[in-house]
Amino acid sequence: GDSVTQMEGPVTLSEEAFLTINCTYTATGYPSLFWYVQYPGEGLQLLLKATKADDKGSNKGFEATYRKETTSFHLEKGSVQVSDSAVYFCALSPNQGGKLIFGQGTELSVKP
Amino acid sequence: ETGVTQSPTHLIKTRGQQVTLRCSSQSGHNTVSWYQQALGQGPQFIFQYYREEENGRGNFPPRFSGLQFPNYSSELNVNALELDDSALYLCASSGGPPGTKETQYFGPGTRLLVL
Repeated sequence: GDSVTQMEGPVTLSEEAFLTINCTYTATGYPSLFWYVQYPGEGLQLLLKATKADDKGSNKGFEATYRKETTSFHLEKGSVQVSDSAVYFCALSPNQGGKLIFGQGTELSVKP
Repeated sequence: ETGVTQSPTHLIKTRGQQVTLRCSSQSGHNTVSWYQQALGQGPQFIFQYYREEENGRGNFPPRFSGLQFPNYSSELNVNALELDDSALYLCASSGGPPGTKETQYFGPGTRLLVL
């Protein structure tokens, strides 16, 4: 079945460091791909999305490119801030739509 | 534009009891999905409703049931609560039929503790 695998956390970085969180997926057809962010004690917020191969989603300095050849959707940011500390979830919406399938989440901690 | 809202924010129940969680969709959205997020895990899909009909269900037992109302708000009911039902329950709404892979927008969640 369809699935999402993320790199394990926690990831600890210093402010202004470069961030990469790896995400790979298994799916039939052409899923849509998403990154959601969850701040402590809150629900999920959509960070960015891509709906077809080679699309690049971007928001608030974060970027991710839909790579069908490597079935990946890695999240990157050039310079992280303390306020980026949160848990990041990669997710896919299967070809037929409906449910979201999530990875296990990657906790990011940014130190001043 | 009003986002997705959920109530209550927190709830404590004892094993064997029943619980009802509520969700109001974002304005203009007619599809509601429910997810269970155990501590330290990613959300797991429970079921989805579109125009008051169930449209897909995850690997959850029948004691998890739901409703969607004509105004597209929704309820999640859980009977015979078990300790493992302790989790954050998330509601998400989206516009358009489910097959169109519309983006889902999440509410803040209801944190349920079963003692």
